[in-house]
Amino acid sequence: DTAVSQTPKYLVTQMGNDKSIKCEQNLGHDTMYWYKQDSKKFLKIMFSYNNKELIINETVPNRFSPKSPDKAHLNLHINSLELGDSAVYFCASSQDSVHSGANVLTFGAGSRLTVL
Amino acid sequence: TQLLEQSPQFLSIQEGENLTVYCNSSSVFSSLQWYRQEPGEGPVLLVTVVTGGEVKKLKRLTFQFGDARKDSSLHITAAQTGDTGLYLCAGAKGGKLIFGQGTELSVKP
Repeated sequence: DTAVSQTPKYLVTQMGNDKSIKCEQNLGHDTMYWYKQDSKKFLKIMFSYNNKELIINETVPNRFSPKSPDKAHLNLHINSLELGDSAVYFCASSQDSVHSGANVLTFGAGSRLTVL
Repeated sequence: TQLLEQSPQFLSIQEGENLTVYCNSSSVFSSLQWYRQEPGEGPVLLVTVVTGGEVKKLKRLTFQFGDARKDSSLHITAAQTGDTGLYLCAGAKGGKLIFGQGTELSVKP
């Protein structure tokens, strides 16, 4: 049973298209995240939701829109894809809210997005 | 400027050698975590250090948290090919978990 699962694992698309990545966790965690890992392997937080409520929204273009239908799911929709959006996107979850300081994250396997 | 600076960024060694990876910051963290990421997978937590000066051991891996809680190190004894991967330190700051840029370790047989 995969704890944090995201789909698709690979996504190749043309510039200007709209695409979504889905994430589900079966750990019963309250908080979920989207991170972006660039070609230099740097992991940067994009968004965080606690119990369906957006609590972290980094400086991310508004072409990126997260949606959390319930606390076990956090999806990422990207409009008008650009070349620079090519990266690996990781979903993660944690038991505690970001304000607790503990923040042990369980990551999904990543979704590699390639924009041509 | 990175909040957490890791060094070295790349490390290629022979099996059996020892190595140390450093994670430094000018900021104080309430805790620091170390993750390991293999190709095609997400990072997996290795350890969390909480107390200044704390030392934790995980088999051949030794983690240390600096006295001032601004830095940490990961020492691997007698590296094995299975230790190959990306090692990431991370600290909680401003309600977010901030990652260092990672150290790519390659252990050759």
